[in-house]
Amino acid sequence: DIQMTQSPSSLSASVGDRVTIQCRASQSIRSYLNWYQQKPGKAPKLLIYAASALQSGVPSRFSGSGSGTDFTLTINSLQPEDSATYYCQQSFSIHRSSFGQGTKLEIK
Amino acid sequence: EVQLVESGGGLVQPGGSMRLSCTASGFTFTTSEMQWVRQAPGKGLEWLSYISNSGTTINYADSVSGRFTVSRDNANNSLYLQMNSLRVEDTAVYYCARSTSYYHDGLGYPLFDSWGQGTLVTVSS
Repeated sequence: DIQMTQSPSSLSASVGDRVTIQCRASQSIRSYLNWYQQKPGKAPKLLIYAASALQSGVPSRFSGSGSGTDFTLTINSLQPEDSATYYCQQSFSIHRSSFGQGTKLEIK
Repeated sequence: EVQLVESGGGLVQPGGSMRLSCTASGFTFTTSEMQWVRQAPGKGLEWLSYISNSGTTINYADSVSGRFTVSRDNANNSLYLQMNSLRVEDTAVYYCARSTSYYHDGLGYPLFDSWGQGTLVTVSS
């Protein structure tokens, strides 16, 4: 099975900051990488798919990059509503998918 | 509007059984692949199970293989998760999700595009 590792597990930043979240796969997954945002008590919401494609309706301050085993989620000009937990997911093996352990983002 | 609604959660004793349901609406369920994901309290997302649109292909995470059984009733737009031999560590919110593929640069990329609201299963004596 493909293991996904995220870092950091948590971070704190201020409104207007730029933050990056890393995700590493245990084997090459090409660009089969999705990012989700989850707020407390809610289901996850798709942000980015195919490593860098922005889901419709998601603000352009969110961006994704990477391929192979290393991926990055970047949030530019952080907003208060970005406070959430972010998960990466490999879809290279969608029939046996897996998620990173999550990164909790706090807005100072 | 795509809608997934889970039901059937609650309190169960260790060793007991429970059946979760996920009722779908707003899309063609019969052609959709479906998945189950859970989230233990304060923890991350854990993929549990995949079922193809026809129900002929099924996969499970090692943590639930042999104890959980996924099934679907396409005539009633419903997905199920039968959970047996439940353990304290199975306590979690259980989500059903639709998996589909979005196209980017000419290639299809699988993802979970719709999720239910989740149902809480508590395994405790």
